[in-house]
Amino acid sequence: AAGVIQSPRHLIKEKRETATLKCYPIPRHDTVYWYQQGPGQDPQFLISFYEKMQSDKGSIPDRFSAQQFSDYHSELNMSSLELGDSALYFCASSRNSGASTDTQYFGPGTRLTVL
Amino acid sequence: AQTVTQSQPEMSVQEAETVTLSCTYDTSENNYYLFWYKQPPSRQMILVIRQEAYKQQNATENRFSVNFQKAAKSFSLKISDSQLGDTAMYFCAFMKPNTDKLIFGTGTRLQVFP
Repeated sequence: AAGVIQSPRHLIKEKRETATLKCYPIPRHDTVYWYQQGPGQDPQFLISFYEKMQSDKGSIPDRFSAQQFSDYHSELNMSSLELGDSALYFCASSRNSGASTDTQYFGPGTRLTVL
Repeated sequence: AQTVTQSQPEMSVQEAETVTLSCTYDTSENNYYLFWYKQPPSRQMILVIRQEAYKQQNATENRFSVNFQKAAKSFSLKISDSQLGDTAMYFCAFMKPNTDKLIFGTGTRLQVFP
């Protein structure tokens, strides 16, 4: 079965640079979620989109922005990168079935290293 | 605010044996959802099992089952016939209805020995 695709899988940036992470949801999934997992930590929810509209927002820094496109893929844009942004960034997707909660299926993650 | 607690940072079990991972949570909600996710060394997050709080029956998925005690706010994961491939970090997670945010515990690292 097709899974969530994230690109790139690894990214190395310098401080103050910008980065763009991409997420392609499972086919027919219309909702995407972004999480950040620091070293040795549990994943923290950043933001989510349903039908191209922001659906929920967590602890996302103002330096970060995200959007969902008409083909349902999503991009997380990160500017003025800091050392503390080094983390594993997960995208997850789900299909809005009308149920109050849909199971989120995670991608393999993008490992961002800020030097 | 909701919190999820996993009090066992590390566990180990011998192949073919049974192990139980603990999870407790704190919420004032009556309806909610609970999940166990597995994160093997590849760092992929894999859904193991899901439980709706309004369902009294404990969820099962093959060798994985949960013991959901709503009054005690406890949601433990039992892995039967442990396999080497079960070696991973296991995260318990909570979600309120009509929200998108999964709240994770700090994880339990499980090592399965031959």
